[in-house]
Amino acid sequence: KAGVTQTPRYLIKTRGQQVTLSCSPISGHRSVSWYQQTPGQGLQFLFEYFSETQRNKGNFPGRFSGRQFSNSRSEMNVSTLELGDSALYLCASSTTGGVNSYEQYFGPGTRLTVT
Amino acid sequence: GENVEQHPSTLSVQEGDSAVIKCTYSDSASNYFPWYKQELGKRPQLIIDIRSNVGEKKDQRIAVTLNKTAKHFSLHITETQPEDSAVYFCAAPRRNYGGSQGNLIFGKGTKLSVKP
Repeated sequence: KAGVTQTPRYLIKTRGQQVTLSCSPISGHRSVSWYQQTPGQGLQFLFEYFSETQRNKGNFPGRFSGRQFSNSRSEMNVSTLELGDSALYLCASSTTGGVNSYEQYFGPGTRLTVT
Repeated sequence: GENVEQHPSTLSVQEGDSAVIKCTYSDSASNYFPWYKQELGKRPQLIIDIRSNVGEKKDQRIAVTLNKTAKHFSLHITETQPEDSAVYFCAAPRRNYGGSQGNLIFGKGTKLSVKP
């Protein structure tokens, strides 16, 4: 099976702009989670989508939003970008349920730089 | 609230020595504990996991132990090699809105350096 893919891989934006990142999960996976990774802060959870519904959300401001489509692909949007939003954004997919439902497979990430 | 604490944040060992990384979690209902390895510039990759019905699991030079009473679990790497150098993350399940166990909450990571 093809792995998790993310587009674009690199992005440079200016403060105040907005950005949309895309994630395509492994075929058959219905859960997609998003994380922000910055040096020293590890993997900070943004939100998780399952069957087009947000199932969980981390402690990020409302400028961060997401959605999931019927084919399980997910997008996240950041509006009014700030310098502190510069980070590696990772998405991860997992299966629908059963004993393997917690295993998460990560995409390569989108490196966002805000200037 | 839910929390996963990981120690140490950095670890330097000599090639051939053992390395141990420890994590504690807060939700006593948690039943799945994975470890991820992230090499520089690459995505995190699952290297081993353990479920709450066992106390230890081994895979070649890597082992994970779980103490549910104390709510902590550890990663053990024996006979370390330079290619083991990476950032390691532990994780435990997060609660969904409805209270069921959902995806993962991660520790802040341990940067392991193996010196040749």
